[in-house]
Amino acid sequence: DAGVIQSPRHEVTEMGQEVTLRCKPISGHNSLFWYRQTMMRGLELLIYFNNNVPIDDSGMPEDRFSAKMPNASFSTLKIQPSEPRDSAVYFCASTQTGANVLTFGAGSRLTVL
Amino acid sequence: AQSVTQPDIHITVSEGASLELRCNYSYGATPYLFWYVQSPGQGLQLLLKYFSGDTLVQGIKGFEAEFKRSQSSFNLRKPSVHWSDAAEYFCAVGGIQGAQKLVFGQGTRLTINP
Repeated sequence: DAGVIQSPRHEVTEMGQEVTLRCKPISGHNSLFWYRQTMMRGLELLIYFNNNVPIDDSGMPEDRFSAKMPNASFSTLKIQPSEPRDSAVYFCASTQTGANVLTFGAGSRLTVL
Repeated sequence: AQSVTQPDIHITVSEGASLELRCNYSYGATPYLFWYVQSPGQGLQLLLKYFSGDTLVQGIKGFEAEFKRSQSSFNLRKPSVHWSDAAEYFCAVGGIQGAQKLVFGQGTRLTINP
């Protein structure tokens, strides 16, 4: 299995631009999670999906952030407009419901200038 | 709500020495406990997990951890570290939803002296 695949690995953009991060979960996994990692706040859960349905988005920082999962093999996290404080590493993780073990992707490092 | 504390931000040990990384959690019921490792520029890799049963759990790469309910701790140990163990280590706790609502500690950065 190729694991959880995230793209892009690195993104540098200017403040105000739209950013889209992408994730392909492991085939057969029906739960998908988006985490953000920063020095100040550590690893934070932003949102997670079960069977493509958003279950808990209480960690999404504000309306500039949105996430979608149009099918079982693809999810996006969008930031519009981006701000310098959004600079972080964004991780996607997946699991089978009930398995209780997350498999993480390699992350997308976002820098907003 | 659950929470995790990793008291040590940075630890340095010599290659071949023993290692113990501390983790304390807060949760009202029996927790799901995890240790993950993150190498530079990489995602998190699961080292080991505790759900129930034997309180001493074995993981990959020669790591083990012991669940102590009375101390609300889940410390990670390795008898002899290798230079390749240099990384950041994260303890995480999940509640009845297991992995669905994992809360991570701030991490402990491990440096290995040759």
